[in-house]
Amino acid sequence: GQNIDQPTEMTATEGAIVQINCTYQTSGFNGLFWYQQHAGEAPTFLSYNVLDGLEEKGRFSSFLSRSKGYSYLLLKELQMKDSASYLCAVLDSNYQLIWGAGTKLIIKP
Amino acid sequence: SAVISQKPSRDICQRGTSLTIQCQVDSQVTMMFWYRQQPGQSLTLIATANQGSEATYESGFVIDKFPISRPNLTFSTLTVSNMSPEDSSIYLCSVAAGDSYNEQFFGPGTRLTVL
Repeated sequence: GQNIDQPTEMTATEGAIVQINCTYQTSGFNGLFWYQQHAGEAPTFLSYNVLDGLEEKGRFSSFLSRSKGYSYLLLKELQMKDSASYLCAVLDSNYQLIWGAGTKLIIKP
Repeated sequence: SAVISQKPSRDICQRGTSLTIQCQVDSQVTMMFWYRQQPGQSLTLIATANQGSEATYESGFVIDKFPISRPNLTFSTLTVSNMSPEDSSIYLCSVAAGDSYNEQFFGPGTRLTVL
């Protein structure tokens, strides 16, 4: 079966760094996405990785290891507005997105 | 990136009625999807909307309950039929673009409450 695992909830402090992990087992792999979703809003695209390594975009970075079926999203210099759910999703061999359950990130002052 | 709009943004409906949700994209896209997200849950794919042919439904979703139209490459509708309170959810339209469908964007969603 297809499975994506990520922690249910994490807490971090404003100004700090947090790493949200995602492990996956899917039928085929055509890339991994990270989305941010604030309560009551649609998901917004953060990153896409298809090759191994780290992609950096401002305060957010995403890492992928295909051999390990593993990715992480790294958020630096955390701000209160970063409080949201972070969704990991894998594009499978049929080019359909398989979604993790999401990680709720709580930022404390 | 594609700009996606959905109508209505929210609605409150009576049990047994039907609601049609519209999704409009500002550019032609091959792949359009309809998702449901229930409170506190992750996204669940309802179906892939295929232009010019019947939608492809995921397990647990059927055409009689969720008929979908896709008349062209920029527009799709999802109808939630014979609604019950269990259908209360956010319904999201999504499109895939890019050479390897590596660009996937969501519309703002339609928040449906069924009484």
